[in-house]
Amino acid sequence: KAGVTQTPRYLIKTRGQQVTLSCSPISGHRSVSWYQQTPGQGLQFLFEYFSETQRNKGNFPGRFSGRQFSNSRSEMNVSTLELGDSALYLCASSTGQGNTEAFFGQGTRLTVV
Amino acid sequence: AQSVTQLDSQVPVFEEAPVELRCNYSSSVSVYLFWYVQYPNQGLQLLLKYLSGSTLVKGINGFEAEFNKSQTSFHLRKPSVHISDTAEYFCAVGESNYQLIWGAGTKLIIKP
Repeated sequence: KAGVTQTPRYLIKTRGQQVTLSCSPISGHRSVSWYQQTPGQGLQFLFEYFSETQRNKGNFPGRFSGRQFSNSRSEMNVSTLELGDSALYLCASSTGQGNTEAFFGQGTRLTVV
Repeated sequence: AQSVTQLDSQVPVFEEAPVELRCNYSSSVSVYLFWYVQYPNQGLQLLLKYLSGSTLVKGINGFEAEFNKSQTSFHLRKPSVHISDTAEYFCAVGESNYQLIWGAGTKLIIKP
């Protein structure tokens, strides 16, 4: 069974631009979570979508948004990019139950210059 | 609110020596406990999980963890580490609201 696919793997953007990252979860998984990982802040939860609805949300500004489509694929958008948004963005899929593991993609490395 | 503490940001250990990576969580309410590993430039991969039952959980690559409810701990152990175990290890707690709460991670550094 195919794993979690994130595209693109690497991205370089300029301050002020916007970016969209994509995540295709494992077939049958209805939950997709997004995380930001930086050396200074570690792994930080952005938001979780379950059956096209945002179910949980972390503590990030409104510039960070997401959505989930009917096929469970998810996109994350960051508008008005700042240098501090440079990070590894990880997507994780699961069945959506609290006791099941999350499967991670390899991440998208975003560099803002 | 639930929180997860990984006390050590880095743990250096000699190859073939035993290692313990510590994880404590704040709430004693029913939780699900996970350890994940992240190799350089990769996503996270599940090492092991505790849902219920036996408090000693065995995972992949020779790792095991013990759930201690009274101490709200879930420490990860391996009796003999290998250079290939060099990675960052994350402890996570799953709650009934389906969200995973993550520790800050522990970098395991294997010295030859």
